Amino acid sequence: NAGVTQTPKFQVLKTGQSMTLQCAQDMNHEYMSWYRQDPGMGLRLIHYSVGAGITDQGEVPNGYNVSRSTTEDFPLRLLSAAPSQTSVYFCASSSWNSNQPQHFGDGTRLSIL
Amino acid sequence: GDSVTQMEGPVTLSEEAFLTINCTYTATGYPSLFWYVQYPGEGLQLLLKATKADDKGSNKGFEATYRKETTSFHLEKGSVQVSDSAVYFCALSGKAGNNRKLIWGLGTSLAVNP
Repeated sequence: NAGVTQTPKFQVLKTGQSMTLQCAQDMNHEYMSWYRQDPGMGLRLIHYSVGAGITDQGEVPNGYNVSRSTTEDFPLRLLSAAPSQTSVYFCASSSWNSNQPQHFGDGTRLSIL
Repeated sequence: GDSVTQMEGPVTLSEEAFLTINCTYTATGYPSLFWYVQYPGEGLQLLLKATKADDKGSNKGFEATYRKETTSFHLEKGSVQVSDSAVYFCALSGKAGNNRKLIWGLGTSLAVNP
């Protein structure tokens, strides 16, 4: 079972470059989200989506854009990369039932030089 | 607002020792509670969950009981193994409103020595 697939697994960017982190799920989940994980800060929510065509901001949305054109895909765009965006990024999906767990991808390790 | 507080790590134990990782929460209503585990270099995966007061979640020898009176969901294992070395996250999922956002603790790193 594929579950949640994130690409790429690793990426190095220069300050000011843009890129898109891909996330796809094959479980027909309504809810998808992006987190960043930094040492000592746990997981912080960047953006989330409750269904195709609907997105909203999380705790730390600045510098990131998202869109949800299909149920399966939820890409995260860095508009102009900054060193402060060096982090590990996780995509997650779940059904709308809050008793059900979120399913995570394996993460994208991003370094901004 | 809702919040989750976990004991700080790192926690270092010898193999076969007893493990407790404390987790307390603040929430309105009746949240669902989760423990997730992150092994080195991997994403998070669900370890166990409980959806109502007095429920006990269990998996792979780990247990946690949803205690509403103490607003706690402590993780326990009677005999840890080296393979349990990982970071453990406590989380809650609110049921109010139409969002599905999880509220996360900061994680507790566990190292088990042979």
